[in-house]
Amino acid sequence: QVQLQESGPGLVKPSQTLSLTCTVSGGSISSGGYYWSWIRQHPGKGLEWIGYIYYSGSTYYNPSLKSRVTISVDTSKNQFSLKLSSVTAADTAVYYCARADGVDTAMYFDYWGQGTLVTVSS
Amino acid sequence: QSVLTQPPSVSGAPGQRVTISCTGSSSNIGAGYDVHWYQQLPGTAPKLLIYGNSNRPSGVPDRFSGSKSGTSASLAITGLQAEDEADYYCQSYDSSLSEIFGTGTKVTVL
Repeated sequence: QVQLQESGPGLVKPSQTLSLTCTVSGGSISSGGYYWSWIRQHPGKGLEWIGYIYYSGSTYYNPSLKSRVTISVDTSKNQFSLKLSSVTAADTAVYYCARADGVDTAMYFDYWGQGTLVTVSS
Repeated sequence: QSVLTQPPSVSGAPGQRVTISCTGSSSNIGAGYDVHWYQQLPGTAPKLLIYGNSNRPSGVPDRFSGSKSGTSASLAITGLQAEDEADYYCQSYDSSLSEIFGTGTKVTVL
């Protein structure tokens, strides 16, 4: 059973960079076949896809966030990470990491972390 | 950015059948991209309910079913149970090169 766990600061100051890490257990990122994703949910709102990464390092980002997002992978630690720069209060959200299965434009998220709340405030 | 539109809420009595619509456009569902559905219980992460328009992952009861037609998709819950009270989201791909989610629907069991 694949499990994902987010970790990182729960409070980030405006204009700084939000950094989160997702640790995967029960499966190896380097075995391929899946994309590893970040998704967020603003308080009381819907879901927003941030981006995903393949074990090889290929990345795909939400065009609306692309200029501020970097997703990276560390296969030796079975982890992948999110960096979101120049944050504002509008980036306050619960951030989920998830595994994406499927092919090309038919990806779906079959395993999710529990989520971590990140608040942007001075 | 494109979004998929869902009704804010639907409700039904135990045992009844409810449906949730997910309306897109020619740049996402209408372009032939698959639709997937998630259930989010209060305070928890979303859970995959339906993938590839109508496929259920192992462990998901057959009370849940999905369909797609034109620029829309639907999730049906038959034999509604108290444990089905949750938020439900659809998801698809958009030609703007982005995964997109629906606006979400809260299901209330009366």
